[in-house]
Amino acid sequence: EAQVTQNPRYLITVTGKKLTVTCSQNMNHEYMSWYRQDPGLGLRQIYYSMNVEVTDKGDVPEGYKVSRKEKRNFPLILESPSPNQTSLYFCASRLFSGGLDEQYFGPGTRLTVT
Amino acid sequence: GQQLNQSPQSMFIQEGEDVSMNCTSSSIFNTWLWYKQDPGEGPVLLIALYKAGELTSNGRLTAQFGITRKDSFLNISASIPSDVGIYFCAGRGGSNYKLTFGKGTLLTVNP
Repeated sequence: EAQVTQNPRYLITVTGKKLTVTCSQNMNHEYMSWYRQDPGLGLRQIYYSMNVEVTDKGDVPEGYKVSRKEKRNFPLILESPSPNQTSLYFCASRLFSGGLDEQYFGPGTRLTVT
Repeated sequence: GQQLNQSPQSMFIQEGEDVSMNCTSSSIFNTWLWYKQDPGEGPVLLIALYKAGELTSNGRLTAQFGITRKDSFLNISASIPSDVGIYFCAGRGGSNYKLTFGKGTLLTVNP
């Protein structure tokens, strides 16, 4: 089954404790993204990657890092989480070829930073 | 930057009714995507549109790419309780890859 997986689904942590949210897709897509979703603000792109070893900032990159060492994986790293990073996070994988443009989201990771 | 206005923000309807929602862009788009999101879950892609005037259906859902290329519409016919959720539009314009998202329409269906 074609899918985007994220782990963990739920995470409660404390300020300053480094964490990583993993993301994996099995659709061989080149383009992947991370978003955060907050009430009233909608979906905002954090980082994106157009291929292996190619990443770039989205609209709200401060406080986040990403890496893309393999095509299927795109982890999101919070080196020193703060309470304002409490949010619902989505990884997305995108088919962008052959005239098609379809983005698929993971199930989400609800992060609480205390 | 590009802006998307999605309306209405919320809708309360009776089971069996038809639903319409729309998105309007400040600039021309080349792609429109429609998603449904259940609470606490990831958005699920419903329909993708690529050409002005294009009309595409997915079951009881029908979406249209506006002929001005600045708007798109989603219709749901004969709504059922499981249609409840938030519906998002997203669009891509110009030569860049960036997707712009609407703020969503919250749909409530009363049985």
